[in-house]
Amino acid sequence: DAGITQSPRHKVTETGTPVTLRCHQTENHRYMYWYRQDPGHGLRLIHYSYGVKDTDKGEVSDGYSVSRSKTEDFLLTLESATSSQTSVYFCAISEYGGSSYNEQFFGPGTRLTVL
Amino acid sequence: AQKITQTQPGMFVQEKEAVTLDCTYDTSDQSYGLFWYKQPSSGEMIFLIYQGSYDEQNATEGRYSLNFQKARKSANLVISASQLGDSAMYFCAMREASSASKIIFGSGTRLSIRP
Repeated sequence: DAGITQSPRHKVTETGTPVTLRCHQTENHRYMYWYRQDPGHGLRLIHYSYGVKDTDKGEVSDGYSVSRSKTEDFLLTLESATSSQTSVYFCAISEYGGSSYNEQFFGPGTRLTVL
Repeated sequence: AQKITQTQPGMFVQEKEAVTLDCTYDTSDQSYGLFWYKQPSSGEMIFLIYQGSYDEQNATEGRYSLNFQKARKSANLVISASQLGDSAMYFCAMREASSASKIIFGSGTRLSIRP
């Protein structure tokens, strides 16, 4: 199994508070991704990174920011959490990009509840 | 813009029967990759199979095969001889070469295998 961990695994917070989720990999893969999973929507890409300090927005990036200061860590921050950000958050990594064969490995997920 | 459509929210199949999960995609790229993932009730995302847009043969991995019809822009997953353990959510996903490694997912199909 690919070495991907997410912390925390579960979090309950209140509206308006800042929240940071961490994704840590031991595979030295270049690409890292944050997704959220909601019923009826599948997985939607929030932000992704193609290298240290290189990040870009996905399809649902509003209200989220990311940082990647080291290859192994990709942080997702909710500056002021809202109830609409209650979701399961998945981190994923991959070694190559483009259309070349390259599966994504997923972390175990973080269940976030915003009250 | 890239888009993945899975039109079957849920399916019931008798054990040992074959099952086809539908996936259509939309892209203007010539170079792209298609993926299928399984998500059991435990929540982890499990990579199943990959098909590149230039691959001439349909991908196969054990009981999984991908029925790739490029002209129709479809990439259906076929599971042969279904087992009770195949009960899960299944997601189709696509990455375009021009999209800097973004992977977009469909909304998923919940497959239930009856004994």
